[in-house]
Amino acid sequence: DGGITQSPKYLFRKEGQNVTLSCEQNLNHDAMYWYRQDPGQGLRLIYYSQIVNDFQKGDIAEGYSVSREKKESFPLTVTSAQKNPTAFYLCASSTEGDTEAFFGQGTRLTVV
Amino acid sequence: AQRVTQPEKLLSVFKGAPVELKCNYSYSGSPELFWYVQYSRQRLQLLLRHISRESIKGFTADLNKGETSFHLKKPFAQEEDSAMYYCALKNSGYSTLTFGKGTMLLVSP
Repeated sequence: DGGITQSPKYLFRKEGQNVTLSCEQNLNHDAMYWYRQDPGQGLRLIYYSQIVNDFQKGDIAEGYSVSREKKESFPLTVTSAQKNPTAFYLCASSTEGDTEAFFGQGTRLTVV
Repeated sequence: AQRVTQPEKLLSVFKGAPVELKCNYSYSGSPELFWYVQYSRQRLQLLLRHISRESIKGFTADLNKGETSFHLKKPFAQEEDSAMYYCALKNSGYSTLTFGKGTMLLVSP
């Protein structure tokens, strides 16, 4: 079954701990993205990567880090420096030159 | 700076009524605009893009450069149209998108 898979669906962490969200795609897409979705805020871009071993900061990158060692994978680490990490995180991918983004089901992170 | 504005957080209509979800944008140059939809418990997905000028599930959207708008319209709303709708603008020179804050459409029987 082709698509984007995010795991886990729900994640609980204690304040001060780093946590890594997984995003895997088998669509052979070059570009991958991480968005944060908050009620009343829409989607805001955290990081994106247009090619393996390269990534750029989005609008709200502070307190987050990413890696892109494989085309299929784009994990997001929420660090303890992120002041308000509780949110719904969406991963997406697209082919080069096409802005139709295909989204994962999302990970809801709750920090207590 | 690029910006997408969706002025309504919530739009509630009755089944069979016309629907218009508003979207205004701020962009210098030729914009590329999209509507994405998120049904309950489903992933966010593309509904339509202005370049293709197609009608999906009875929805249409026309780009009005004079009014910098890309409103989403449907003549007769159905209950299954109830969802969260996001207007999005392609960022200049990149494949990323700037999203509006979204409008929740509720269609009552």
